[in-house]
Amino acid sequence: AQKITQTQPGMFVQEKEAVTLDCTYDTSDPSYGLFWYKQPSSGEMIFLIYQGSYDQQNATEGRYSLNFQKARKSANLVISASQLGDSAMYFCAMREGLWSGTASKLTFGTGTRLQVTL
Amino acid sequence: DADVTQTPRNRITKTGKRIMLECSQTKGHDRMYWYRQDPGLGLRLIYYSFDVKDINKGEISDGYSVSRQAQAKFSLSLESAIPNQTALYFCATSDPGGRETQYFGPGTRLLVL
Repeated sequence: AQKITQTQPGMFVQEKEAVTLDCTYDTSDPSYGLFWYKQPSSGEMIFLIYQGSYDQQNATEGRYSLNFQKARKSANLVISASQLGDSAMYFCAMREGLWSGTASKLTFGTGTRLQVTL
Repeated sequence: DADVTQTPRNRITKTGKRIMLECSQTKGHDRMYWYRQDPGLGLRLIYYSFDVKDINKGEISDGYSVSRQAQAKFSLSLESAIPNQTALYFCATSDPGGRETQYFGPGTRLLVL
């Protein structure tokens, strides 16, 4: 079974509008972390936002926020007031065994390509 | 200057050749990783290292080897390159404990002919 599922291969959004990128995950570990990365056309992977499984509040970082629904195992990225520079691939990733000290591996989804239009 | 650097940024090689991809970091992180990215498959872990004396295989280590020369340096080798190793390769680093966010280098585009 896929540990991280991103069901939207591509999304379009108009400039200044908000957009939600979906991510669902599968784990039996009670302690895990969820990450979102942005990959522009230049190729680099840029860390955006993090949500821990025990965090009481949804994470926010500027225009990025995470709609974390633990019971549904979803961690959707919300980008508010989209800008042309937001056009990129977006990857959701998970690290299980958050406090184990041994398991640092990230498992990635297949990504969603976001295109921001005028 | 970038915290995580990779050399070369682009490489074209022929089937059967040995090549090395290098990664250096100035973040002072103990943990380093090598991933490959193929279209439609996201990133997959090749090898990871928790410190200079600790090397671990990831999910797709066959055909690859690594060397952790120092805390700041982690290199990936393809002993005998094959065309299906054509991919974008990323090095990443993290600090142990807490969220352990991984920070990525700019990537190396490898083409095996």
